[in-house]
Amino acid sequence: AQKVTQAQTEISVVEKEDVTLDCVYETRDTTYYLFWYKQPPSGELVFLIRRNSFDEQNEISGRYSWNFQKSTSSFNFTITASQVVDSAVYFCALSGINNAGNMLTFGGGTRLMVKP
Amino acid sequence: DVKVTQSSRYLVKRTGEKVFLECVQDMDHENMFWYRQDPGLGLRLIYFSYDVKMKEKGDIPEGYSVSREKKERFSLILESASTNQTSMYLCASSSSGDRDTDTQYFGPGTRLTVL
Repeated sequence: AQKVTQAQTEISVVEKEDVTLDCVYETRDTTYYLFWYKQPPSGELVFLIRRNSFDEQNEISGRYSWNFQKSTSSFNFTITASQVVDSAVYFCALSGINNAGNMLTFGGGTRLMVKP
Repeated sequence: DVKVTQSSRYLVKRTGEKVFLECVQDMDHENMFWYRQDPGLGLRLIYFSYDVKMKEKGDIPEGYSVSREKKERFSLILESASTNQTSMYLCASSSSGDRDTDTQYFGPGTRLTVL
C-alpha cells in the first residue's frame, strides 16, 4: 500500500522568509512518480511538478525548488522569499507503476499562510 | 493547456434530491476521476474511469454513482443526497501516454451543500 505523509498541517511565515514543506512517502514500487499541487483559496488544484523515481536531481523553478531524496523517501518543497500570493494549501502526491487507472495517493496537505 | 471544467462552482440541494455533477475535459484524456475534499481528511477518491463506459470504485464510493458515455465527460451522481455529502467535489483527468503519465489536472471544484 502506498502512503504520503505531510506532517506539517499549517505553517505561518512572514513575507520574504524561506519556507520548506515536507513530504515523506512509502511505496513498494521501484518505478513511481511524485507530484506537488497548489490549492489557492479559489479551490482549484494547480499542478506544480512531477518527478519520476529515477531522477533524483533537484529542480528549481523561479522561487520554487524541490529536493528529492530516495534514501529518506522524501520529496520536500522549498519556497524562497515567500510572498502573500503563495498562501495556499499544498499537496504532495504519489503514483506507482502498478496503480490501476493511474491513481494518485495524496498527502493530507499543508496550509501555508504568508503574512505581509 | 489542459482544461477541466465543472458544471457549477456552488450548488445547494435538499436532502433526498438526485444531484448531477458534470465534468468535461478537452485534452482527450483517457482517465477521469472524482474526489471529495473535506477539512482534515484531504482528497478522497470516489470513482475513476479509464475508458468510456468503464468505471472503478475508489476509496469512498458509497452513496455515489458515475457515468461516462463520452470520453470527454464524466458525471458524478448522488442518487439521494444526504447532509453528509456536503463537501467540495473535485474532478480530474489524466493521460495514459508516456510523456505525462499520471499527472492529474483538476477542475475548479464544486462546493455542494445539502440542506
